[in-house]
Amino acid sequence: GENVEQHPSTLSVQEGDSAVIKCTYSDSASNYFPWYKQELGKRPQLIIDIRSNVGEKKDQRIAVTLNKTAKHFSLHITETQPEDSAVYFCAATGYSSASKIIFGSGTRLSIRP
Amino acid sequence: ETGVTQSPTHLIKTRGQQVTLRCSSQSGHNTVSWYQQALGQGPQFIFQYYREEENGRGNFPPRFSGLQFPNYSSELNVNALELDDSALYLCASSLGQDSSGANVLTFGAGSRLTVL
Repeated sequence: GENVEQHPSTLSVQEGDSAVIKCTYSDSASNYFPWYKQELGKRPQLIIDIRSNVGEKKDQRIAVTLNKTAKHFSLHITETQPEDSAVYFCAATGYSSASKIIFGSGTRLSIRP
Repeated sequence: ETGVTQSPTHLIKTRGQQVTLRCSSQSGHNTVSWYQQALGQGPQFIFQYYREEENGRGNFPPRFSGLQFPNYSSELNVNALELDDSALYLCASSLGQDSSGANVLTFGAGSRLTVL
């Protein structure tokens, strides 16, 4: 069945360093890959997304890369700041799954001062 | 422009009871999805509604049901509650899939259900 695997489950980095979170997906028809940030006790919020017709997208300190052949995509956060501490979820959807969006299990990112 | 609002924010039920959770979609959004998020896990897709009809469902039993109203608001109903139903229930609204297949979700703050 459709599945999205996310690694690592926890990640601790020094403030100012970079953080990378990786995901793989099983549905080869998936063509939309959003990333959500969820702070403690708050709702998931979309921080960046990428469609299958591009390999990379960047928005200030955040970038996402997509390798459709290998069915994996990654989130890169540079120059990390304390406010980047949160749980990050990758997700995937596609035409074969119509409306369904499948989420990864999440990565708890902690930024050390 | 208003965001996605959910009610109630917290509630406690006992096994076997029934619960109704409510969601008002973001202004302009015609599609509503419901997700279950257990503690420490990612959101799990329950179902989606468009034009008052269910148009997609995840691996949840029939005791999970929903409605969408003409104003695009929605309800999630769960019958015969079980302990494992304890979770954060998230509602998300969207415009549905666009031409590139993207379904951009805007989430509400959720309803936290505890089943004792």
